[in-house]
Amino acid sequence: KAGVTQTPRYLIKTRGQQVTLSCSPISGHRSVSWYQQTPGQGLQFLFEYFSETQRNKGNFPGRFSGRQFSNSRSEMNVSTLELGDSALYLCASSLQDSNYGYTFGSGTRLTVV
Amino acid sequence: GQQVMQIPQYQHVQEGEDFTTYCNSSTTLSNIQWYKQRPGGHPVFLIQLVKSGEVKKQKRLTFQFGEAKKNSSLHITATQTTDVGTYFCAGTPSNTGKLIFGQGTTLQVKP
Repeated sequence: KAGVTQTPRYLIKTRGQQVTLSCSPISGHRSVSWYQQTPGQGLQFLFEYFSETQRNKGNFPGRFSGRQFSNSRSEMNVSTLELGDSALYLCASSLQDSNYGYTFGSGTRLTVV
Repeated sequence: GQQVMQIPQYQHVQEGEDFTTYCNSSTTLSNIQWYKQRPGGHPVFLIQLVKSGEVKKQKRLTFQFGEAKKNSSLHITATQTTDVGTYFCAGTPSNTGKLIFGQGTTLQVKP
């Protein structure tokens, strides 16, 4: 079966712009979580969506937002980009919640210049 | 806030030597999971432990969950070059649904 698909793979944006990243989970998976990965901070939890509702949220500013659609696909948006937002953004899907293990996508590498 | 600490940050071993990484949480965890991320790749789920004192094995890999459900370890016997990568532990604090990742241990294996 198809894995978790993230688009785009790479993105270069300018400070102040906004960006939208997309994630299609494994078919049948209803939980989608987003993580930011940087060399200095490791994997930081952004938020988790389940059945179109945000179920958990990490400690990121309001510039980071997300949503989930009825087909479980998810998007995350970052507004007013800052240089420090440069990172690998990983999406992970699970059947219901974190107790089932996550399947990660290949990520979107965002570079802010 | 809730944290999952992982040590060591880096480990260089000679092929054939053993390797262990340790994970400690400030709070009780409902589960502990382990992931492996190869250079340039994404984390791949290895295993989940849920019971106090649980021990699971996958070939040369042995995973343990502490009695207090606050710590865990991953031990690799007789490392191979294919074991190279970063190993992450991740735990779900009992009072939240968030999966919190440790900082990871990067393993280098010299042939």
